[in-house]
Order: sequence, then structure tokens, then C-alpha cells
Amino acid sequence: QQQVKQSPQSLIVQKGGISIINCAYENTAFDYFPWYQQFPGKGPALLIAIRPDVSEKKEGRFTISFNKSAKQFSLHIMDSQPGDSATYFCAATIWRGSTLGRLYFGRGTQLTVWP
Amino acid sequence: GAGVSQSPRYKVAKRGQDVALRCDPISGHVSLFWYQQALGQGPEFLTYFQNEAQLDKSGLPSDRFFAERPEGSVSTLKIQRTQQEDSAVYLCASSFASTTDTQYFGPGTRLTVL
Repeated sequence: QQQVKQSPQSLIVQKGGISIINCAYENTAFDYFPWYQQFPGKGPALLIAIRPDVSEKKEGRFTISFNKSAKQFSLHIMDSQPGDSATYFCAATIWRGSTLGRLYFGRGTQLTVWP
Repeated sequence: GAGVSQSPRYKVAKRGQDVALRCDPISGHVSLFWYQQALGQGPEFLTYFQNEAQLDKSGLPSDRFFAERPEGSVSTLKIQRTQQEDSAVYLCASSFASTTDTQYFGPGTRLTVL
């Protein structure tokens, strides 16, 4: 049973465009929602993360929008660049005490940005 | 400083062989996680250590999978009697106990079982 559902599976965007990836979850105990970026042959790397007490977080060209009532969150990549071409994973977890618990990942979105 | 390292990076095993995958976490990181990533899928949790204690092994798919972290640093994931369905990338991640909320991933070990 997939705890975090991610769409689309693949996305093609022109350079300079906006890339939008969506995720949904069911478990209301989740309280930390990171996005990871993975290049071929590499491990996932944290891109940006949000907690449910805020509705939006922005870091540079990357923005997470969070809708607690709908149990949905999304990643927006503004001014998409060819170097952004990678696989993006949303994830969720329950923060236990002072360290993160296991991450539940979506199935990933393969983003291709055409020059 | 150095990140999480994993070895070997690639492993080919014949069905039925035992394999051992190694993870060197970032120095001082208390928490260590193992994930399995099938082709075209997101990572799936296998097991979690806090120092040398294995606090969660609920994701291990069968009793052929075993993980250890005897001195609270390096960890080994062992798979006995490998099967074709074990073919995947095995990712290790570590995190510092209290001052950061990030899991840092290694590059993974790609296991192919023939």
C-alpha cells in the first residue's frame, strides 16, 4: 500500500517554464514532508522540506505548497533549467523525538527540461 | 567532510549466493537507515538503527535479510540465498541525532541477481 502517491510519473518542460509535481498522503500523523532530487547513479539528495504548520515554503526557484485539509503537497520549480533534469521524490515521515523516522517515498517523477 | 559511502557500488550474484553490502555513515551520525530501490520506483524502507540498536526492522522483506551495526558506525546489510527479486539498488542514509532534520543518502549498491 503506497503511503504517498505522486504524479505525474514523467514530466517534460521547456527551459524557463514551471515544473509542478503533486503528492497526496493519507496518514495524518505525518508531520514532515521532504522532497528529494536524484540524478542517475546517485543517491537521493534533500531539496526542500516543509512541516504542516505552514502552507508554503520557498527556497530559490523551488517552492513547496502544502494543503493540510486536502492532505496534498506539491513542488513547483520556477524557471526550470536543463540542469534540473532528474528524478524527484516526495516523501513523508513522522518525526520521532529528536531524529527523523523512516521516510515513505512516492514513486518518483522523471523531469526532463528541454533547452 | 566525506558523505555517506557504500561498497561495493555494483554487485552481481548468482541466485542462491549470499551477499554483504557495506555502509559507512557520516562520522558522528547516530541514525542509520537502509532502503531498497527497485528500478523506476521510490526507495522503500528496510531497517533503522540508532547507534548499535536496531530499532525498526519492519521493512525487511524476509528472514533472508539481516542488518547489523555492531559498534554504532559502519553497518552491513546481508542477504542470504539471493533471489532474482532481490535485484535493486540498496541505499544507506544517515542523520545526526538532534540538530539536523536531514537524512543524507549514499550512492547505493546496485545488486543484480542472475
